[in-house]
Amino acid sequence: DAGVIQSPRHEVTEMGQEVTLRCKPISGHDYLFWYRQTMMRGLELLIYFNNNVPIDDSGMPEDRFSAKMPNASFSTLKIQPSEPRDSAVYFCASSPILDTQYFGPGTRLTVL
Amino acid sequence: GENVEQHPSTLSVQEGDSAVIKCTYSDSASNYFPWYKQELGKRPQLIIDIRSNVGEKKDQRIAVTLNKTAKHFSLHITETQPEDSAVYFCAASSGSSNTGKLIFGQGTTLQVKP
Repeated sequence: DAGVIQSPRHEVTEMGQEVTLRCKPISGHDYLFWYRQTMMRGLELLIYFNNNVPIDDSGMPEDRFSAKMPNASFSTLKIQPSEPRDSAVYFCASSPILDTQYFGPGTRLTVL
Repeated sequence: GENVEQHPSTLSVQEGDSAVIKCTYSDSASNYFPWYKQELGKRPQLIIDIRSNVGEKKDQRIAVTLNKTAKHFSLHITETQPEDSAVYFCAASSGSSNTGKLIFGQGTTLQVKP
């Protein structure tokens, strides 16, 4: 199994641009999670899905952030417009059953 | 609200010594407690977990203990090695296991000096 796949691994963009992060969960996993990690705030849960349906988006910082899961093998996290304070590492994780989460390699986002 | 406190934030030990990281949680309904290790520039990886029906679990040099009454759990690493140097995160399930959500601690940076 390839594990959770994320793309791109690194993204550098300018303030105001749209950013789209992508995630492919492990096949057969019912849950998908998006996290943001920074030195100041640690690991924050942004949103998670169960069977492609968003369950809890209370961690999404503001309306500039949106996430979708159109099918069981693909999810996107979009930031529009991006701001320098969005710079962070964004992790996607998936879970085959409740609780045990497996993380992807992350996308390091830098907004200039 | 739901919260997981982790201590210490940094820990430095000599190679061969033991290291202990402690976490407390607020939600009495939590019943799953994983520990993740994150090396610099890498993803968090599950190293051990424990469920509420068990008080202790061991895997080679790593052990985790759980005290549900006091709502705290700990990670114990014995005979530490330089490759144990990393950031360690504890987590607790949010409420019962029905939500699938984990609440993470702030992390402990462990440095093992050769």
